[in-house]
Amino acid sequence: EAQVTQNPRYLITVTGKKLTVTCSQNMNHEYMSWYRQDPGLGLRQIYYSMNVEVTDKGDVPEGYKVSRKEKRNFPLILESPSPNQTSLYFCASSPSVGYTQYFGPGTRLTVL
Amino acid sequence: TQLLEQSPQFLSIQEGENLTVYCNSSSVFSSLQWYRQEPGEGPVLLVTVVTGGEVKKLKRLTFQFGDARKDSSLHITAAQPGDTGLYLCAGASGAGSYQLTFGKGTKLSVIP
Repeated sequence: EAQVTQNPRYLITVTGKKLTVTCSQNMNHEYMSWYRQDPGLGLRQIYYSMNVEVTDKGDVPEGYKVSRKEKRNFPLILESPSPNQTSLYFCASSPSVGYTQYFGPGTRLTVL
Repeated sequence: TQLLEQSPQFLSIQEGENLTVYCNSSSVFSSLQWYRQEPGEGPVLLVTVVTGGEVKKLKRLTFQFGDARKDSSLHITAAQPGDTGLYLCAGASGAGSYQLTFGKGTKLSVIP
């Protein structure tokens, strides 16, 4: 089954404790992206990747890191999480920009 | 950063009524997508429009892309409770930019 998976689905952590949210797709898509969704602010792009070893900042990259060492995986790293990073995070993949984006199920992160 | 303004932000209607959701920008987009998101899930693509003036129909849903490719609308005929959800528009700027900009969404409730 073609899908985008994210882990964990729910995470409660404390300020400053490094964490990684994993994202994997099995559709051989070149384009992958991370978004955060907040009430009243909608979906905002954090980082995107056009292919292996090619990443670029989205609209809200501060406090986040990503890597794309393999085509299927695109982890989101929070080196020192802060409460303002409490949000619902979505990973998405697409054959190319402008084409259908397939979203993962989301990761709800709470930073205390 | 390009902005997409969606209106209305909230919409509550009775089953059987018609409705229109708008997505407007001062920027030109190479393509525009409409997604529907249900609680606890990631957005799912409904349609992509590419050509200025294009109209696409998906059962009771009609999507239109403005002639200048700066705006779009989603019209639902005879709304049903199953149409309830968050409707998001997203624009791809193309021309070497691989960012996808989302509107804040329209939360639709269809009351039986």
